[in-house]
Amino acid sequence: QKEVEQDPGPLSVPEGAIVSLNCTYSNSAFQYFMWYRQYSRKGPELLMYTYSSGNKEDGRFTAQVDKSSKYISLFIRDSQPSDSATYLCAMSSGGYQKVTFGTGTKLQVIP
Amino acid sequence: NAGVMQNPRHLVRRRGQEARLRCSPMKGHSHVYWYRQLPEEGLKFMVYLQKENIIDESGMPKERFSAEFPKEGPSILRIQQVVRGDSAAYFCASSPPRTSGRTDTQYFGPGTRLTVL
Repeated sequence: QKEVEQDPGPLSVPEGAIVSLNCTYSNSAFQYFMWYRQYSRKGPELLMYTYSSGNKEDGRFTAQVDKSSKYISLFIRDSQPSDSATYLCAMSSGGYQKVTFGTGTKLQVIP
Repeated sequence: NAGVMQNPRHLVRRRGQEARLRCSPMKGHSHVYWYRQLPEEGLKFMVYLQKENIIDESGMPKERFSAEFPKEGPSILRIQQVVRGDSAAYFCASSPPRTSGRTDTQYFGPGTRLTVL
């Protein structure tokens, strides 16, 4: 069993839709939870960062962490074609620790 | 403030040759991480280095791979006697110092795409 499971998609939605991306994990030591966005043939770009359980909102993006269920989510409101990318969930057990990534979900937002 | 820099961006090697990948962290960052991304797979941790020290190399293959981060200059990931299975994108990331309070945040470079013929 992988430490982090993420549905690879692809996920195709119309412009303006609400997008929900999810990951589950098995390692109880994970404390820091991140979402990265990766455009084709580019490096990952940090989108959202959350420590422990709870919600965090930044513009059109909302990250949720439920440590009791070992489940994290990223919501994108009013999705735009420029949001088309691969979204990677990531987590670590602390500062200066290796980050464990999901395999990524490929999202396409259709105009 | 320049981001994490990696070079070369693309590298082609024949089987048996050596590949050297370079990474310059963001200004003020002294913690460097290397990850490998195979096609259709997520990023896999390889090694974590500080200046002149390897802190965690639990993800490094036991043979042919080595990494360093000297006191001066970029971090180097070296792959000796490359094989076709080494073809992948190699990403470097760096973290800010402890004084920033964001030791958990890693900023990624654009990657080096290695192709082994």
